[in-house]
Amino acid sequence: EIVLTQSPGTLSLSPEERATLSCRASQTVNSNYLAWYQQQPGQAPRLLIYGASNRATGIPDRFSGSGSGTDFTLTISRLEPEDFAVYYCQQYGTLPFTFGPGTKVDIK
Amino acid sequence: QVQLVQSGGEVKKPGASVRVSCKASGYTFTTSGITWVRQAPGQGLEWMGWINPKNGNANYAQKFQGRLTMTTDTSTTTAYMELTSLTSDDTAVYFCGRTRSPDIWGQGTMVSVSS
Repeated sequence: EIVLTQSPGTLSLSPEERATLSCRASQTVNSNYLAWYQQQPGQAPRLLIYGASNRATGIPDRFSGSGSGTDFTLTISRLEPEDFAVYYCQQYGTLPFTFGPGTKVDIK
Repeated sequence: QVQLVQSGGEVKKPGASVRVSCKASGYTFTTSGITWVRQAPGQGLEWMGWINPKNGNANYAQKFQGRLTMTTDTSTTTAYMELTSLTSDDTAVYFCGRTRSPDIWGQGTMVSVSS
């Protein structure tokens, strides 16, 4: 199965700062079928990015995804208070589909 | 609007089984798969499996093989996830989601396993 590694484990930043989150796959992600989710405490995940770089419906343009093959990045250009959360990547190109362990973005 | 509504929380004893339902509305049920994901307390997301409602074909994560069954009922646009031989390690919130990279999620169902 494809193992996803996310770094850093925790990212401590201030509002309005830029956040860069990494997701690395143990093998090539088929067709760049890589998604990013945001999860707030006690809530279901929220799809941010699919296909490595496509914003989901209603997602602000401060969220962007990039990368291909085995290395992917989620960038939040300017953190808003509601962006402090846990972020997960998921590959859905090869069964079994797998999630990364998550990156927590907290307030510095 | 498009939504998935899950059944309520469950408390089970070790060795029991649990079935969680996921009622879809607002879209054509057979055009999108249903993913099941769980999250143990304080832990990350764990992919359990995926089912195609059009033909009932399901794929499961290896660790659940033999005790996980996913089904769908197209007449009621409802997906089901049944997990057997429960242990305390199965205590988690169980989510259903639409498609392989879920854009719509259910609200989650807490399953607690305790003697």
